[in-house]
Amino acid sequence: EVQLVESGGGLVQPGRSLRLSCAASGFTFDDFNMDWVRQPPGKGLEWVAGISWNSGMVGYAASVKGRFTISRDNAQNSLYLQINSLRPNDTAVYYCAKGTRGSGSSNFDYWGQGTLVTVSS
Amino acid sequence: EIVLTQSPATLSLSPGERATLSCRASQSVASYLAWYQQKPGQAPRLLIYDASHRATGIPARFSGSGSGTDFTLTISSLEPEDFAVYYCQQRSNWPPSTFGQGTKLEIK
Repeated sequence: EVQLVESGGGLVQPGRSLRLSCAASGFTFDDFNMDWVRQPPGKGLEWVAGISWNSGMVGYAASVKGRFTISRDNAQNSLYLQINSLRPNDTAVYYCAKGTRGSGSSNFDYWGQGTLVTVSS
Repeated sequence: EIVLTQSPATLSLSPGERATLSCRASQSVASYLAWYQQKPGQAPRLLIYDASHRATGIPARFSGSGSGTDFTLTISSLEPEDFAVYYCQQRSNWPPSTFGQGTKLEIK
């Protein structure tokens, strides 16, 4: 059974940093793209970042480029999102999502339960 | 960046009725369009990928069509569990991938 479990969210002050993690199991992790998608409270989905199977290709939404860094550790079956210079409009549930391909663009066939990041002073 | 516009924002129908949801892209995405369903408090679920292919385990009442800039998700006969929010997503021009703003399907 595929499982994606996010952690690392919480309440953080503006300007601070946070690192989100996603632990994957139930599939061959290093065969697939992995992505982060976020959803502000009561709003729609926003794709944030994606990374290919071997970390050779990464991509970011314009709204987070330069502040967010996606990475993965295939030996640990883990995905990460480093978030710097947090802003109040970064407040959202952050989902880890499994891609349907190994590189390039992808759909998302499995999602974690999400981790809530709240940016407030 | 490709913008996806979904319509209508809200669709009010009764169980047993047919639902037609639209997604329009600001430029061609070929057939690289997917549909997701999201219920309150849950993560999204992939329904349709590459415009018309049902994902694993998705009932046959869900179907997708279209190519280029205009796409449709059809639910042939609504079941009570189908009332949710639906999102389209394109992967044609990556990065970024983008989602539409969603259509809420509510019980009339």
